[in-house]
Amino acid sequence: GAGVSQSPSNKVTEKGKDVELRCDPISGHTALYWYRQSLGQGLEFLIYFQGNSAPDKSGLPSDRFSAERTGGSVSTLTIQRTQQEDSAVYLCASSLVGLGADTQYFGPGTRLTVL
Amino acid sequence: ILNVEQSPQSLHVQEGDSTNFTCSFPSSNFYALHWYRWETAKSPEALFVMTLNGDEKKKGRISATLNTKEGYSYLYIKGSQPEDSATYLCAFKAAGNKLTFGGGTRVLVKP
Repeated sequence: GAGVSQSPSNKVTEKGKDVELRCDPISGHTALYWYRQSLGQGLEFLIYFQGNSAPDKSGLPSDRFSAERTGGSVSTLTIQRTQQEDSAVYLCASSLVGLGADTQYFGPGTRLTVL
Repeated sequence: ILNVEQSPQSLHVQEGDSTNFTCSFPSSNFYALHWYRWETAKSPEALFVMTLNGDEKKKGRISATLNTKEGYSYLYIKGSQPEDSATYLCAFKAAGNKLTFGGGTRVLVKP
């Protein structure tokens, strides 16, 4: 079956511009996660959606970052007024029910470069 | 802030040799420990989810053990092959918390 997909695969933008990154989770998965990996760093949690519950936004690094999940499916991560330190690979993952022992399935990532 | 450490950061292995590396995590409030393999230009792939102290999991030539009391997990690769070259990530989940990833161990298997 189809896995998690993300678009675009690569995005180059100028400092100060807004960007939108998209994630299509596996059909039927109720939990969706956003992570990023900056150069030389580990995977950093950004935000977590579980069903209709309020999202866990505790990992968002600043108020320039926001995310939505529409209809319990597709999610969009928006970064406003991008800065060079936002350059990273942004990964989306989904899981069936969002429990701690639930396997997360990752998308291929979006590589964001802010010039 | 939860501290999840992986060591070594990288290692080179000769094809056919076996190897292992470590994930260290807090020994309190344990819920689950995940292992992922992340090959270059691909998505991270789930290897194991471990929940019980003393758990041992195996998938082909790769296996993992878990010690929740002392806060560590080992991942073993037996008879390494070039296709095992990847970054291996562990992720720790405390009860009521999100996954916290370690920095990864980058494995390069040399033919």
